Amino acid sequence: EIVLTQSPDFQSVTPKEKVIITCRASQNLGNGLFWYQQKPDQSPRLLVKLASQSISGVPSRFSGSGSGTDFTLTIDSLEVEDAAAYYCHQSGDLPSFGQGTKLELK
Amino acid sequence: EVRLVESGGGLVQPGGSLRLACAASGFTFTDYWIHWVRQAPGEGLVWVSRVNNVGGGTNYADSVKGRFTISRDNAKKTVYLQMNSLRVEDTAVYYCARAVHYGGNSGGPESWGQGTLVTVSA
Repeated sequence: EIVLTQSPDFQSVTPKEKVIITCRASQNLGNGLFWYQQKPDQSPRLLVKLASQSISGVPSRFSGSGSGTDFTLTIDSLEVEDAAAYYCHQSGDLPSFGQGTKLELK
Repeated sequence: EVRLVESGGGLVQPGGSLRLACAASGFTFTDYWIHWVRQAPGEGLVWVSRVNNVGGGTNYADSVKGRFTISRDNAKKTVYLQMNSLRVEDTAVYYCARAVHYGGNSGGPESWGQGTLVTVSA
């Protein structure tokens, strides 16, 4: 079983701030890592696929990087609507999600 | 437009059964794997199960293996999740999602339904 550990669990943020969320895997994933955003009472939304590939319709301030066991999601110049929960996910032999990172406005 | 609509949720007693359905439209259904993901109230996302595009390959989280069965009817463009021996801890919103498709491989969830609530309580 592959365990994904996100950091931080929670962060208080302000608009225009640069935010970095990390995801560490217990085994080598190559580039098989996906990032999601979920706002309250909404379904999750795919932000980044295969560690660093952008998704149509997702603002360019969201970007992903990393490979192997260490990955990051970066939000450049955070906007108010980015206050949400963020999850990483791997879809290997037995898929799993990270525990989530909640971004809350100060 | 890609659309996934879950149904079948509701209130069930511990030990009972429910069958969830995920009706798909707006894409070539037989090209895509489908995931089920759940979220307990106030908690994070938990992967539950997936089925490959032809229905012959399935995977399950350890927490549901032996109790849940995923299947698909490609003629009806529908995926099912049969849930037996339900426990209080299975209470959650259940989402179905189409998987990312790339280079002959299948990845994480890409397009999600709105979810259906399953409540297991006496």
